Amino acid sequence: DTAVSQTPKYLVTQMGNDKSIKCEQNLGHDTMYWYKQDSKKFLKIMFSYNNKELIINETVPNRFSPKSPDKAHLNLHINSLELGDSAVYFCASSQEGTGDSPLHFGNGTRLTVT
Amino acid sequence: DQQVKQNSPSLSVQEGRISILNCDYTNSMFDYFLWYKKYPAEGPTFLISISSIKDKNEDGRFTVFLNKSAKHLSLHIVPSQPGDSAVYFCAASTGTGTASKLTFGTGTRLQVTL
Repeated sequence: DTAVSQTPKYLVTQMGNDKSIKCEQNLGHDTMYWYKQDSKKFLKIMFSYNNKELIINETVPNRFSPKSPDKAHLNLHINSLELGDSAVYFCASSQEGTGDSPLHFGNGTRLTVT
Repeated sequence: DQQVKQNSPSLSVQEGRISILNCDYTNSMFDYFLWYKKYPAEGPTFLISISSIKDKNEDGRFTVFLNKSAKHLSLHIVPSQPGDSAVYFCAASTGTGTASKLTFGTGTRLQVTL
């Protein structure tokens, strides 16, 4: 009964391909996020959704398109993958914002673009 | 533009001793600070937080200190245990409610030795 689960755990693909990462939370949280951890170990927010509505979009290339079919799911679709997209992508959720409502993270998806 | 900095990439401490992890920030608008702990191949998990209106928060073996004038916070773990060996991320929050977002440091790897 994992709280925040994301699939797949590993994803290896070639440049130019399109891929998706799925995320589901069973915590009943209203807000979900995608974070990216790059090779320098920076964890940076990409998107946040609240009740299926996009709240934060941190100047991410429009090749990245999040989709939230309901408040328990936030998927990430990436078009025309590039070498620089290689990173670990973390899904997270929180009850309301991040100030005093800690994020609950999934275990990450390691994306390798060759 | 790294607003949250953890200048020590690693720290080694003997079991039973105190571990002190440090974090500096530059944005005076941050109003909430959090520490996350991360084991390999897992997502970060929330450890402890502190509001900018406080200077100390304690939870069992973990205490976070905030010095706003110095824009510095620290996490004290005492006594340190082998299970504490992990990467610790400092994070800071701006904004309120669903629009708030976390900015992370690059982490400090703590190794607790026997």
